[in-house]
Amino acid sequence: GQQVMQIPQYQHVQEGEDFTTYCNSSTTLSNIQWYKQRPGGHPVFLIQLVKSGEVKKQKRLTFQFGEAKKNSSLHITATQTTDVGTYFCAASGGSYIPTFGRGTSLIVHP
Amino acid sequence: DGGITQSPKYLFRKEGQNVTLSCEQNLNHDAMYWYRQDPGQGLRLIYYSQIVNDFQKGDIAEGYSVSREKKESFPLTVTSAQKNPTAFYLCASSIGAGGRETQYFGPGTRLLVL
Repeated sequence: GQQVMQIPQYQHVQEGEDFTTYCNSSTTLSNIQWYKQRPGGHPVFLIQLVKSGEVKKQKRLTFQFGEAKKNSSLHITATQTTDVGTYFCAASGGSYIPTFGRGTSLIVHP
Repeated sequence: DGGITQSPKYLFRKEGQNVTLSCEQNLNHDAMYWYRQDPGQGLRLIYYSQIVNDFQKGDIAEGYSVSREKKESFPLTVTSAQKNPTAFYLCASSIGAGGRETQYFGPGTRLLVL
């Protein structure tokens, strides 16, 4: 399957600061999905990006898919304590089962 | 309620024992998956099944076995050949198999070797 690198592994922020996690592939992707896992919970689907250069927003979350379809980012504006958790990207090269990145754990300090 | 259930929530295994983790879904999904999660490792695919009576190995299938006799059930057996089984195991399902399908996850089973 696809190999995806996700950085950073951990990110500490003060409440109200912004947060970004990146997902990178050496090959062109068909699509990318983002999931969130709260501490002690299970991953929950957030969004899917399919088109080159696509940008989608969900309230304070902004998701981008690179022009070359080799990278993606998730940006959270003005973090809140409810944003705590691990964010995973899952990338696919086509009809294959998606490969999950290692995740970025977000810790928000009040 | 529709969803995916996994049982038990916690499972303890003695060395040399086989244990079976249950996964049931009532979403009428064709595809089901098993993942292993270790700290800092993300989700690693163990096995997946696209349809009843068919399944394929994932990236880390050694020491595990599965069956798919019914559409709604996809049990995972951790055999004694799996030398480091302590982990969090997640089952997921999707309408069909393929990279664009959303996966729905169960609550997970934590396996601990005594």
